[in-house]
Amino acid sequence: DAEITQSPRHKITETGRQVTLACHQTWNHNNMFWYRQDLGHGLRLIHYSYGVHDTNKGEVSDGYSVSRSNTEDLPLTLESAASSQTSVYFCASSESQDLAYEQYFGPGTRLTVT
Amino acid sequence: DAKTTQPTSMDCAEGRAANLPCNHSTISGNEYVYWYRQIHSQGPQYIIHGLKNNETNEMASLIITEDRKSSTLILPHATLRDTAVYYCIVGVDSNYQLIWGAGTKLIIKP
Repeated sequence: DAEITQSPRHKITETGRQVTLACHQTWNHNNMFWYRQDLGHGLRLIHYSYGVHDTNKGEVSDGYSVSRSNTEDLPLTLESAASSQTSVYFCASSESQDLAYEQYFGPGTRLTVT
Repeated sequence: DAKTTQPTSMDCAEGRAANLPCNHSTISGNEYVYWYRQIHSQGPQYIIHGLKNNETNEMASLIITEDRKSSTLILPHATLRDTAVYYCIVGVDSNYQLIWGAGTKLIIKP
């Protein structure tokens, strides 16, 4: 069965370190998304991609970057981790840019920046 | 900011219908209503979406009022596994992406 996976599931890092979170999907979807979710809040969009070599900034992109070199993967990099980036990170993919098409979410990565 | 208002939390007895309300009084004519849910420690899961007409699928029914200013998600026979945070989403941001609010925490009680 097709799926979307994230790794690691938990990560503790120190302020100032560079961190990369992996996202891999086997749906063969062109569209991929990264969100963060802080306690008691909904999701906020960080970056998204509509295809290979395409990347776009979301609502809260400062301090984050992504690259899309193939269809399956969209790694998220925190250039210099800050305590404000402690959060749960979700990756998602979708078949179409049409929002009527559901987004499939990964299990999330819990990141703690100390 | 999210364009929806949902109760913070709700309870429902197992086996009963769970009715989750959502107010979206500023909805535009071409904006859809989307519902997702998030079971504890998991990624969100799509449930249903609609524009004007009522919609039903294997998971739930969506009832949208005639003036489209509010809607209700109905889980016809709630089970303990339906305990989750339910997000009603209307509108998009400047990137044409969904705007997520805080949702309703639904607790199904035995």
